[in-house]
Amino acid sequence: DTEVTQTPKHLVMGMTNKKSLKCEQHMGHRAMYWYKQKAKKPPELMFVYSYEKLSINESVPSRFSPECPNSSLLNLHLHALQPEDSALYLCASSQKERGTEAFFGQGTRLTVV
Amino acid sequence: AQSVTQPDIHITVSEGASLELRCNYSYGATPYLFWYVQSPGQGLQLLLKYFSGDTLVQGIKGFEAEFKRSQSSFNLRKPSVHWSDAAEYFCAQTGNTGKLIFGQGTTLQVKP
Repeated sequence: DTEVTQTPKHLVMGMTNKKSLKCEQHMGHRAMYWYKQKAKKPPELMFVYSYEKLSINESVPSRFSPECPNSSLLNLHLHALQPEDSALYLCASSQKERGTEAFFGQGTRLTVV
Repeated sequence: AQSVTQPDIHITVSEGASLELRCNYSYGATPYLFWYVQSPGQGLQLLLKYFSGDTLVQGIKGFEAEFKRSQSSFNLRKPSVHWSDAAEYFCAQTGNTGKLIFGQGTTLQVKP
């Protein structure tokens, strides 16, 4: 099983809302990632968790707050987003942070109104 | 600095024709190299990877890629394209940081 599951698939939120994106994997992977992808562009790394600890934060604004409650789950908490934050948010996981391939979920299409 | 270049932004091939998508990387040592495919509105699916060893690697859906150190290339090939192969293709590498560095992507269109 090489599946990474993301919920919800689609999300529309207002600029004053608080929402969360969820990601789950049961492959025993110890590294998990959040990427942001705008239309016609490659994914951009936002955060990396390795062994449930934040390893990389790519200078992401504080209105995005990641959380890794356990080795299978990764959340992205959203608050006070801007319309330009509308994008496809992709979660990925890999066996470890270096030297192994990453598997991606199907993404959450986020629209900020 | 590490980088990945995909010279072709858009490629159109006829169904049944052969395909080659180009990818060049920049890295001092041997990188880990990947090809991913993305259908519209979907996530990325791993087609194949190169870590070491045999420089010709086989992937899923009939794709293969060849690592050429002398040319810093990792081109993706398929002998006969199917209409369902129409998608966005990303070449990527990781170096010593483990961070995936993507190329800008190549959009493949398949003519009937």
